Amino acid sequence: LAKTTQPISMDSYEGQEVNITCSHNNIATNDYITWYQQFPSQGPRFIIQGYKTKVTNEVASLFIPADRKSSTLSLPRVSLSDTAVYYCLVAANQAGTALIFGKGTTLSVSS
Amino acid sequence: GAVVSQHPSWVICKSGTSVKIECRSLDFQATTMFWYRQFPKQSLMLMATSNEGSKATYEQGVEKDKFLINHASLTLSTLTVTSAHPEDSSFYICSARDWGLATDTQYFGPGTRLTVL
Repeated sequence: LAKTTQPISMDSYEGQEVNITCSHNNIATNDYITWYQQFPSQGPRFIIQGYKTKVTNEVASLFIPADRKSSTLSLPRVSLSDTAVYYCLVAANQAGTALIFGKGTTLSVSS
Repeated sequence: GAVVSQHPSWVICKSGTSVKIECRSLDFQATTMFWYRQFPKQSLMLMATSNEGSKATYEQGVEKDKFLINHASLTLSTLTVTSAHPEDSSFYICSARDWGLATDTQYFGPGTRLTVL
């Protein structure tokens, strides 16, 4: 399983765009990149998933360069409720493939 | 997205007793479910992979006789903590794989807080 590296923490203010970058230098051909958000005492919530280029949904955008060795989660106009831990995970979409969580990035949004 | 539920959301038990936690995929069938454990201020740690109709695969260091996993149907997996001790107190989270023609994503339950006295 590819190892991921992301910043331990980030600070932002309400209304700003936040970009969290994740490095996964050893990503394999059949690996997908998935981001989750976790609030205290709750299970992780799926944010976005991608394989290459750019993926956008109603919550965030995911940018993946051509070499796929990194990815950037972009949260537009964050609010206080976006304060959470964000996890970047890389895993093959194969039956039985578990997600191995790193430490994640703690995002703190202030007013 | 798909919904995964867990029951109970929290449980307090005496040392030496057993506790069962249920994980259900509410709007999809999950041939594969996973169980994680999370201690305060730490990340999720994978405990085991559960495949419907077969024995679970446990991660190194996880006692299979202590953490019994049953995945008897495509929508239900259970984790039983046998002879619980205070060091088993933790936040237990399950996930279920929603795998189809247009999707392949793991969705997580809300978690179960276990406190062993």
